[in-house]
Amino acid sequence: GENVEQHPSTLSVQEGDSAVIKCTYSDSASNYFPWYKQELGKRPQLIIDIRSNVGEKKDQRIAVTLNKTAKHFSLHITETQPEDSAVYFCAARTDRDDKIIFGKGTRLHILP
Amino acid sequence: EAGVAQSPRYKIIEKRQSVAFWCNPISGHATLYWYQQILGQGPKLLIQFQNNGVVDDSQLPKDRFSAERLKGVDSTLKIQPAKLEDSAVYLCASSLDRRSETQYFGPGTRLLVL
Repeated sequence: GENVEQHPSTLSVQEGDSAVIKCTYSDSASNYFPWYKQELGKRPQLIIDIRSNVGEKKDQRIAVTLNKTAKHFSLHITETQPEDSAVYFCAARTDRDDKIIFGKGTRLHILP
Repeated sequence: EAGVAQSPRYKIIEKRQSVAFWCNPISGHATLYWYQQILGQGPKLLIQFQNNGVVDDSQLPKDRFSAERLKGVDSTLKIQPAKLEDSAVYLCASSLDRRSETQYFGPGTRLLVL
């Protein structure tokens, strides 16, 4: 089955700098890659997603890139702000079984 | 629109006791998921329902966990008897149908087994 690896597990960046979180997946049939943000004690919330027919997608300060050949995808947050502090999860999904497999998460700290 | 509702929000029990969690998905969503999220990890799928039928329960520890969605709307997840390692947040999510890629999560039930 699908396996999603995510790194780093913890990331600290100065406010205003950029943050990059990277994920790899094992199943070449995966075709949908969502990113979720989870603040402490709250539910995971979808912040951006990308499908396998697209290489890059951007939404304001957040962008996601996908390299199908290498089977990796990344989340980029620019001009980081204190409210970006949270745990971020990448995930992958195939049409084969409709299951979303999550990475272990990255705890992002925005330093003042 | 109202989101996914879950109750209780917190539960503390002793090992070997039983516990039940309830989930009410977004109205009209046919697919419902239960996830277990252990501290420091990503959500792990336990069971997936399509209406009132089970689509996938391959990761559900069936010797102690059970779930049902009798009328294809609300769902309950039960643990009997609980073990220490069951301490986790239990998240319910729903989507329009199986082919829908976007899942909407509830606030979760935080379970502590002592």
